[in-house]
Amino acid sequence: QKEVEQNSGPLSVPEGAIASLNCTYSDRVSQSFFWYRQYSGKSPELIMSIYSNGDKEDGRFTAQLNKASQYVSLLIRDSQPSDSATYLCAVKGDTGRRALTFGSGTRLQVQP
Amino acid sequence: DARVTQTPRHKVTEMGQEVTMRCQPILGHNTVFWYRQTMMQGLELLAYFRNRAPLDDSGMPKDRFSAEMPDATLATLKIQPSEPRDSAVYFCASGLVLGQGVEAFFGQGTRLTVV
Repeated sequence: QKEVEQNSGPLSVPEGAIASLNCTYSDRVSQSFFWYRQYSGKSPELIMSIYSNGDKEDGRFTAQLNKASQYVSLLIRDSQPSDSATYLCAVKGDTGRRALTFGSGTRLQVQP
Repeated sequence: DARVTQTPRHKVTEMGQEVTMRCQPILGHNTVFWYRQTMMQGLELLAYFRNRAPLDDSGMPKDRFSAEMPDATLATLKIQPSEPRDSAVYFCASGLVLGQGVEAFFGQGTRLTVV
C-alpha cells in the first residue's frame, strides 16, 4: 500500500463546475496535509495546507480533512481552463524525522 | 522575490560522469528537501535536511548519490557515477518549520539526462 494514494485521472469537468480531488493516506498519525498544483513542465506550487479536521477555504479552493477516515480532498469551485494541471497531495508525519510524502497526483482537465 | 534557486536548469551528461546539482533555499528557511520526479515513479524523496543536518536520506541510492548542506545558503546533490536510469527532474524545496508542519516551496528543478 502506498503511503499517499490518489486517482491518477484524468478528471474531466466542464468550465464553471466543481472539481473534486481526493487523497487517502496510510499513516494514521500524520498531522500536516498539503495540496500542490503542477503544470506540465513546471515545478509543484503550494496552493493549500490543512492541519485540522474540517474545511478550509481560500478563494475558489476548499480543502477538507477527515483524520478518522484518513482522507483529504480539494474542491475547486467555478473551475477554469487555467486550473487544468496535475494536483499533488502531500502528507507529513508527526515526527520531525518524517519528510513530506507525495501522492502520484490527479490530472485535472477543465473543458471550455 | 523569495524563491528557491536551482542550478543548472538542464544537464546532459554521459554515463559514468559526475553530476552536481545545487540549490539555494529561501533565506531563513531551515528545512531542505531533494526530490526526484519521473513519469513512472512520481515525486520520490531523496534527502531531507533540518538546520543543515540530514534527517532522512533513506530514499537515496547510497552507492552513487550524496547530499550535503555545506552552509545554510547551499544544498548540493551529487551523483557519481551517473547512469541512464538517473535521468529525471530533480527538485529542491525549502521550508520553515512552524508548529505542526512545514510548507515547502519548490525550485524550478534540474532536468538531468544521462546518455
